[in-house]
Amino acid sequence: DADVTQTPRNRITKTGKRIMLECSQTKGHDRMYWYRQDPGLGLRLIYYSFDVKDINKGEISDGYSVSRQAQAKFSLSLESAIPNQTALYFCATSPGGGFGTQYFGPGTRLTVL
Amino acid sequence: AQSVTQLDSQVPVFEEAPVELRCNYSSSVSVYLFWYVQYPNQGLQLLLKYLSGSTLVKGINGFEAEFNKSQTSFHLRKPSVHISDTAEYFCAVSDKGGAQKLVFGQGTRLTINP
Repeated sequence: DADVTQTPRNRITKTGKRIMLECSQTKGHDRMYWYRQDPGLGLRLIYYSFDVKDINKGEISDGYSVSRQAQAKFSLSLESAIPNQTALYFCATSPGGGFGTQYFGPGTRLTVL
Repeated sequence: AQSVTQLDSQVPVFEEAPVELRCNYSSSVSVYLFWYVQYPNQGLQLLLKYLSGSTLVKGINGFEAEFNKSQTSFHLRKPSVHISDTAEYFCAVSDKGGAQKLVFGQGTRLTINP
């Protein structure tokens, strides 16, 4: 079984809808991250969390919110989706003191019509 | 703050030829350096990383990279590529302290032609 899982893997939704993307990990890592990938822009950090009570904004947090329900679960929400949030979204985990190495999930492809 | 520039958005190469993917970075603090690979329809997989010590780093699948502090570069090389190396490659940096957030370059799409 994969160490970092994301659900759903693909989602098509309409403008204005609320969407939640979920991430679970079995690696026992404290740190979790959400990124979005756009062609030609690489990956950009949306939010990151060092533990259940420590959540921080990343480079592009506007229009997104997150919830760290447990050490192993980190959800990303789009409260009112818009077309320019169409992207590939990745969750990643990292152990504290792990020299920055992050481990990525398979991604969620989100399309907002 | 850190930034990463990958100098080539696309690199076409013939099978069994050598390849170099270029990465320059900017940072006011010491950083860790990474190369990740993304195969079609998959997540990112760590190829190699530079933490400290020897400037030549060897990774998986025959790839290696060289850290050049004076030129702030971390170029990725492979002496002989295979069709299976077709993928997108990302260079990334993170600061050594605190949050250790990854900052990615724009990616380089490596296409191997038979």
